[in-house]
Amino acid sequence: DQQVKQNSPSLSVQEGRISILNCDYTNSMFDYFLWYKKYPAEGPTFLISISSIKDKNEDGRFTVFLNKSAKHLSLHIVPSQPGDSAVYFCAPPKVGGSNYKLTFGKGTLLTVNP
Amino acid sequence: IAGITQAPTSQILAAGRRMTLRCTQDMRHNAMYWYRQDLGLGLRLIHYSNTAGTTGKGEVPDGYSVSRANTDDFPLTLASAVPSQTSVYFCASSDGNGGRLPVFGQGTRLTVV
Repeated sequence: DQQVKQNSPSLSVQEGRISILNCDYTNSMFDYFLWYKKYPAEGPTFLISISSIKDKNEDGRFTVFLNKSAKHLSLHIVPSQPGDSAVYFCAPPKVGGSNYKLTFGKGTLLTVNP
Repeated sequence: IAGITQAPTSQILAAGRRMTLRCTQDMRHNAMYWYRQDLGLGLRLIHYSNTAGTTGKGEVPDGYSVSRANTDDFPLTLASAVPSQTSVYFCASSDGNGGRLPVFGQGTRLTVV
């Protein structure tokens, strides 16, 4: 049972335009959502998060929107830059416990063309 | 530089051999984790440890074992490697009790032939 779905394996956008990456989840108990970014041959790095009590969180060029009723998140990057080219993972922590056991989606490969 | 160090960076291993992937962190994080990343499957949790002396099973624990003798080290052992264990393995650590978010190592690329 895949609890976190990123249905677009890849996305290509032009530099300066908006990138929108989507994530759907099935577990209504998730109360916190993380986005990680991964470059080739490197480990994932934390990008931005959102709590389930909010519907938007913004950090510079990155904004994450949460629609709890639809169990849907989207990550907006604007303006997109070539350095944003990477794989983006939606990764909510498993509910309960004192640590962050993450449930990763399959990821979306973003390519930003100059 | 504070962070997580994994060793080796890559390894080719004959099926049936024993292998230990090493992971060391210097951030004094309580919790540590091992994930594997396979093409088209994202990252899946293998084992985790909430604190030194304790371990737990993740989503795909079969064929793997871990130990947590101290805060800094969290080795992952494949007792008898099989080709389906060919993957990229990532170690991560985080503060417990809602502290700092998971920080990942650079990964170990393991090929079992």
